[in-house]
Amino acid sequence: AQKITQTQPGMFVQEKEAVTLDCTYDTSDQSYGLFWYKQPSSGEMIFLIYQGSYDEQNATEGRYSLNFQKARKSANLVISASQLGDSAMYFCAMREGDRLSFGNEKLTFGTGTRLTIIP
Amino acid sequence: NAGVTQTPKFRVLKTGQSMTLLCAQDMNHEYMYWYRQDPGMGLRLIHYSVGEGTTAKGEVPDGYNVSRLKKQNFLLGLESAAPSQTSVYFCASHSGALHEQYFGPGTRLTVT
Repeated sequence: AQKITQTQPGMFVQEKEAVTLDCTYDTSDQSYGLFWYKQPSSGEMIFLIYQGSYDEQNATEGRYSLNFQKARKSANLVISASQLGDSAMYFCAMREGDRLSFGNEKLTFGTGTRLTIIP
Repeated sequence: NAGVTQTPKFRVLKTGQSMTLLCAQDMNHEYMYWYRQDPGMGLRLIHYSVGEGTTAKGEVPDGYNVSRLKKQNFLLGLESAAPSQTSVYFCASHSGALHEQYFGPGTRLTVT
């Protein structure tokens, strides 16, 4: 079974609108973390936001927020007031606990969503 | 600070040739990782290291070897390259204190 599922291969959004990128995950661990990364056409991986499984509040970083619904195992990324520079691939990733090495953060990635912002 | 650097940026190999990809970080991070990214897929973990002198297998380790003789360097080796290893390779590191992983710019490898 897929550990991270991103069901939207591509999305087109009008500039200045908000956009939600979907991510669902599968784990039996109680302690885990969820990440979103942005990959522009230049290829680098840019960290956007992190949510820990025990965090009670949804994470926010500027225009990015993570809509964490633990019971539904979803961790959707919300981008408010989209900009042309937001056009990129977006990856959801999960870190599960490593009982042998606390602090180790092996990531499992989804297949990504290509977001295109239309002027 | 340079962050995470990868050498080389591009490489073309013939089937059966060997090569080593170098990852270097100047942030004194304990944890380092090698991922590969194929079209239509997310990144997949090849090998990782939780400290100098340690290495461990990730999700797709076959055909690769790694070494971490110095804390700042993590080497990925291909002993006998195969076309299936054509991919973009990313190195990442993190400190263990914060959750953000810092990624290198990637190495695009083509095996013909």
